[in-house]
Amino acid sequence: DAKTTQPNSMESNEEEPVHLPCNHSTISGTDYIHWYRQLPSQGPEYVIHGLTSNVNNRMASLAIAEDRKSSTLILHRATLRDAAVYYCILSNSGYALNFGKGTSLLVTP
Amino acid sequence: DTGVSQDPRHKITKRGQNVTFRCDPISEHNRLYWYRQTLGQGPEFLTYFQNEAQLEKSRLLSDRFSAERPKGSFSTLEIQRTEQGDSAMYLCASRKTGQVGQFFGPGTRLTVL
Repeated sequence: DAKTTQPNSMESNEEEPVHLPCNHSTISGTDYIHWYRQLPSQGPEYVIHGLTSNVNNRMASLAIAEDRKSSTLILHRATLRDAAVYYCILSNSGYALNFGKGTSLLVTP
Repeated sequence: DTGVSQDPRHKITKRGQNVTFRCDPISEHNRLYWYRQTLGQGPEFLTYFQNEAQLEKSRLLSDRFSAERPKGSFSTLEIQRTEQGDSAMYLCASRKTGQVGQFFGPGTRLTVL
């Protein structure tokens, strides 16, 4: 699977939007972009996924660049409960997810 | 709706002992995954089952590791002759065909002394 690059950490104020970037310049045409997050002392949690078009769900939005070499996970209004490690993952295999180190998001009141 | 459950949640063992972990996936989820996570790292894929068939194994899964899913429901992961390097969180996830997201359990934290 192709590799992704994310910042090690980001900080946000509560109730403000958060944009979490992910670079994936070697993405292939069949790779889906997945985002998971992992709250402290819990297993990872699926957030959102997309292929080419921007996606919205109740948790977040996913903005995908036109050339698909980067994407951004958008949390519209960060809460303290959104403090977690966010993983951007490319996958076309249907099984293994290669998590990487992710971005640790700190949300301050 | 019960999520993925794992048992035990914590296990402390001495080097050289065998340990076995259990994962109960969400009902009707035919696909089951095992991952390992060490401190400060993201989860690493170990193995994958579709129903009772083990379809993929990572090179991380040495000969001391074995996983089973005999009836296509719960799964077990056994580590023989544990080493200190096996200390990690062992995560189980499941999903059903056609679904994209994997649902993870809370994990089993293994400490090898």
